[in-house]
Amino acid sequence: DTAVSQTPKYLVTQMGNDKSIKCEQNLGHDTMYWYKQDSKKFLKIMFSYNNKELIINETVPNRFSPKSPDKAHLNLHINSLELGDSAVYFCASSQELVSGELFFGEGSRLTVL
Amino acid sequence: DQQVKQNSPSLSVQEGRISILNCDYTNSMFDYFLWYKKYPAEGPTFLISISSIKDKNEDGRFTVFLNKSAKHLSLHIVPSQPGDSAVYFCAASGLGGGGADGLTFGKGTHLIIQP
Repeated sequence: DTAVSQTPKYLVTQMGNDKSIKCEQNLGHDTMYWYKQDSKKFLKIMFSYNNKELIINETVPNRFSPKSPDKAHLNLHINSLELGDSAVYFCASSQELVSGELFFGEGSRLTVL
Repeated sequence: DQQVKQNSPSLSVQEGRISILNCDYTNSMFDYFLWYKKYPAEGPTFLISISSIKDKNEDGRFTVFLNKSAKHLSLHIVPSQPGDSAVYFCAASGLGGGGADGLTFGKGTHLIIQP
């Protein structure tokens, strides 16, 4: 069983479109995250979500919005896609304030043409 | 503003030898440090961690050393094996754990183990 799973793994779309990436974790963790790995290979946090509290990295454009239907899911919605949004997006989860250890999904590679 | 820096993009080590990966940080509020390993087309996986109250943590072939005064940590892998070839990310967090603020990652070092 995959602990943190994301779909789709690959996504190719046109500029201006709206797309979503889904994430599910079966670890019973309290906190979920979205990270972006850009072309320079940095892994940067975009959002964290814990018990209905959303913490947003201030550098993330408001075209990006996370949606959490329940504790096990944190989906990422992106509106009006731009070329610069092309990246690998990683979902992760952790048990809050226990070890700091994050469990990552396999990543979703988004290519905007 | 890179708070966690891995200045070596890549490192090549012969199989059986010691691999040493380095990481520097600038934020003195960081008190928990982790190393993640990443294979191509996979997500990062946790390898080893260290709290700021310690200066060394060992797990099998992997040892992490922390020098708080120098704001420097290193990961030692000995002996290095072909399966260790991967990208290694150094990460840090404050206030005892990732919590809701997640982790701050370095850029990664690509370790290549040569037979």
